[in-house]
Amino acid sequence: SQELEQSPQSLIVQEGKNLTINCTSSKTLYGLYWYKQKYGEGLIFLMMLQKGGEEKSHEKITAKLDEKKQQSSLHITASQPSHAGIYLCGAHDRGSTLGRLYFGRGTQLTVWP
Amino acid sequence: EPEVTQTPSHQVTQMGQEVILRCVPISNHLYFYWYRQILGQKVEFLVSFYNNEISEKSEIFDDQFSVERPDGSNFTLKIRSTKLEDSAMYFCASSEGVAYLSPQHFGDGTRLSIL
Repeated sequence: SQELEQSPQSLIVQEGKNLTINCTSSKTLYGLYWYKQKYGEGLIFLMMLQKGGEEKSHEKITAKLDEKKQQSSLHITASQPSHAGIYLCGAHDRGSTLGRLYFGRGTQLTVWP
Repeated sequence: EPEVTQTPSHQVTQMGQEVILRCVPISNHLYFYWYRQILGQKVEFLVSFYNNEISEKSEIFDDQFSVERPDGSNFTLKIRSTKLEDSAMYFCASSEGVAYLSPQHFGDGTRLSIL
């Protein structure tokens, strides 16, 4: 099965600072998803990366997929309090074409004004 | 923006009782999922459902669990005889297409507390 390790576990940054969250897989990645979760709430889909080298951006959040390193990174530029939450990476196992997602433990982001 | 809705938001049940968690997936989606998250742990896959049958299930999804799409809009998860260790946040998700092609969209979850 797929194992995803996220680092750091938690991050506290001052508003306006840039930050990066990493997600490393135990296996070759065939697609990687980033979600944001607020405490006690559901997962909000952020981005899906499907190919090695792919990079996607949405507002001030950029995600990249490095297939060779079996790793993805999520970068937030000029962080704001609205970015606070738990960021989860998720991936499929190659054997599953039916959608089963494995998740990392999450990175808790706090942004202080 | 269309969203996945789950009811109830919080369910408290006595151990041994049956519980049904309900979900309304996004209307044009064809693939449906249940996940759970025990407090402080990872989000874990339970089951996927397509074309009115289970596509895949995890080792967690034993005989006590069942899923159903009773009509064109609802998708339910039933736990027949709840145990203390079933206490968790249960998330329903749906996607338009299969893995690698379509992201899964999640509901806000049902917090299940077993007493």
